[in-house]
Amino acid sequence: AQSVTQLGSHVSVSEGALVLLRCNYSSSVPPYLFWYVQYPNQGLQLLLKYTTGATLVKGINGFEAEFKKSETSFHLTKPSAHMSDAAEYFCAVDSNDYKLSFGAGTTVTVRA
Amino acid sequence: KAGVTQTPRYLIKTRGQQVTLSCSPISGHRSVSWYQQTPGQGLQFLFEYFSETQRNKGNFPGRFSGRQFSNSRSEMNVSTLELGDSALYLCASTGLYNEQFFGPGTRLTVL
Repeated sequence: AQSVTQLGSHVSVSEGALVLLRCNYSSSVPPYLFWYVQYPNQGLQLLLKYTTGATLVKGINGFEAEFKKSETSFHLTKPSAHMSDAAEYFCAVDSNDYKLSFGAGTTVTVRA
Repeated sequence: KAGVTQTPRYLIKTRGQQVTLSCSPISGHRSVSWYQQTPGQGLQFLFEYFSETQRNKGNFPGRFSGRQFSNSRSEMNVSTLELGDSALYLCASTGLYNEQFFGPGTRLTVL
């Protein structure tokens, strides 16, 4: 069974600073990997996905993530945080069994 | 394309009652999944349907059930509600690359 670990339940960054959210997974088969964002009282919005091919994937709102198979990691970054990035972020894995396994989530706060 | 829609958005029920939640996927998507989100347990997979067949089921009691119709719309039902069933229930439909697109959720409160 796959599991997803997000290091740090809360991350606080200054506006304009780098955002780095860490995600490690365990999977017995090559996975599909995703990052989602959730704003208060809303559903999940897909930020980006890794399926096959290029290991550096770009998503919406300036986010990108790099798939590192040797480290079983899929960390999310954004070079310059904006106030609108304050939200909860979830890393998810699909090991081709028709479901997503989610990490516990990381709440990002952005300081002015 | 319209996104995933879920109805109702909010529900208040009492213990012992039953509830039915509805989900309409993105047009053309044939797979629908359901998740429960709570502060304590996070996001947990309930079940997934494709062409009216359940292909996977999470670790939930039999009180939780679902179905999918021929137009890909899906419903989930929870019978004999318990306080611990209070949660945000999220529905998602699946695109070409296994990415799931989520609806806004149904917030269920059990009193």
